[in-house]
Amino acid sequence: QVQLQESGPGLVKPSETLSLTCTVSGGSISGYYWSWIRQPAGKGLEWIGRIFMSGSSDYNPALKSRVTLSVDTSKKHFSLKLNSVTAADTAVYYCARDVTAGTADHWGQGTLVTVSS
Amino acid sequence: DIQMTQSPSSLSASVGDRVTITCRASQSISSYLNWYQQKAGKAPQLLIYSASNLQSGVPSRFSGSGSGTDFTLTISSLQPEDFATYYCQQSDSTPVTFGQGTKVEI
Repeated sequence: QVQLQESGPGLVKPSETLSLTCTVSGGSISGYYWSWIRQPAGKGLEWIGRIFMSGSSDYNPALKSRVTLSVDTSKKHFSLKLNSVTAADTAVYYCARDVTAGTADHWGQGTLVTVSS
Repeated sequence: DIQMTQSPSSLSASVGDRVTITCRASQSISSYLNWYQQKAGKAPQLLIYSASNLQSGVPSRFSGSGSGTDFTLTISSLQPEDFATYYCQQSDSTPVTFGQGTKVEI
């Protein structure tokens, strides 16, 4: 059974960089897209972007200038960096596996990141 | 970006009720439409993919239909564990976009 686990700081200061890692266990990291989605408290889901095992990636244009995705197949993890954060970036961040591009069939439990000084 | 609009935003129902949620895309997305269920404090779970295909392990009381711009999620007989928020999502093009959610309450 594939499992995903997000990790990273739960508190980030404004203007700094949010960095999260998603570790994949119980399955291969190869052959899939791996996505990041976020959800502010009490609000809906926002797609951040996705990366393929080859390193090719797609980003939400609303965040593209601030987002970098990367993947390390040897360590079976992929990462999100979001720079110049503000309070508007406070959210639960989820990583997910796309069984086909855009269809997330396995999700991490989510990690709350708060942007505050 | 493709806009996804769900209706209603919330609904009250009872155990055993038939529940229907609709989702409309701002342009045709063929059958690239997924439905997710999210319970409070939990990650979303995939229910239906490609508009009408039941994800493995999902009860058969859930069904999806539609193509183009109009889609429907139906729960044939609502169970206590079905009280949750449901999201549609288009996977036709990037950026992937979600509906605003439909909260199903008692």
